[in-house]
Amino acid sequence: GDSVTQTEGLVTLTEGLPVMLNCTYQTIYSNPFLFWYVHYLNESPRLLLKSSTDNKRTEHQGFHATLHKSSSSFHLQKSSAQLSDSALYYCALSGGSGNKLIFGTGTLLSVKP
Amino acid sequence: GGIITQTPKFLIGQEGQKLTLKCQQNFNHDTMYWYRQDSGKGLRLIYYSITENDLQKGDLSEGYDASREKKSSFSLTVTSAQKNEMAVFLCASRDWDSYEQYFGPGTRLTVL
Repeated sequence: GDSVTQTEGLVTLTEGLPVMLNCTYQTIYSNPFLFWYVHYLNESPRLLLKSSTDNKRTEHQGFHATLHKSSSSFHLQKSSAQLSDSALYYCALSGGSGNKLIFGTGTLLSVKP
Repeated sequence: GGIITQTPKFLIGQEGQKLTLKCQQNFNHDTMYWYRQDSGKGLRLIYYSITENDLQKGDLSEGYDASREKKSSFSLTVTSAQKNEMAVFLCASRDWDSYEQYFGPGTRLTVL
């Protein structure tokens, strides 16, 4: 079945350093949608960015990701971490009808001064 | 715009008790979801509903029932609460065209 792998459970960074959160996936569908959701403490999870286009960079709120079907990856990046980026980040996959999202286990990003 | 509300925000129950969590959305979305959030395990799908009166089991449906009596609401029942069920339960609804899911603020369940 479909699956999403986020290898880092916790990433701790100093403010100003670059962010890269890893996401790889497995699916039988040739045109999957990939998503990054962000969950700030005491808020609802919300969509950060999404893509279904191979090799096209998508950006939002300073974060960017590129779907690479050849390597089944959708890594989240940011050039310079801010304290306010501290949150739980989920990578998710939707294939087929789109009725279900398969979430990874999440990466907690902690940005320190 | 729209909003998803979940009640209650905190739910405390006794082991073996039947407990119900409620979710309302005003997006007019057809599809709604219940997820369980556990630290280190991500968001796991319990039940979803494609339309009113439809129910589909997710990967974690054992021990839970769900009810979708009208388009705007989706309830989840823990049939017999267990201590290892302490978690946050998140409700979501889906925008059909964009595939995006919108989440509620969650219900935190504690079982004594």
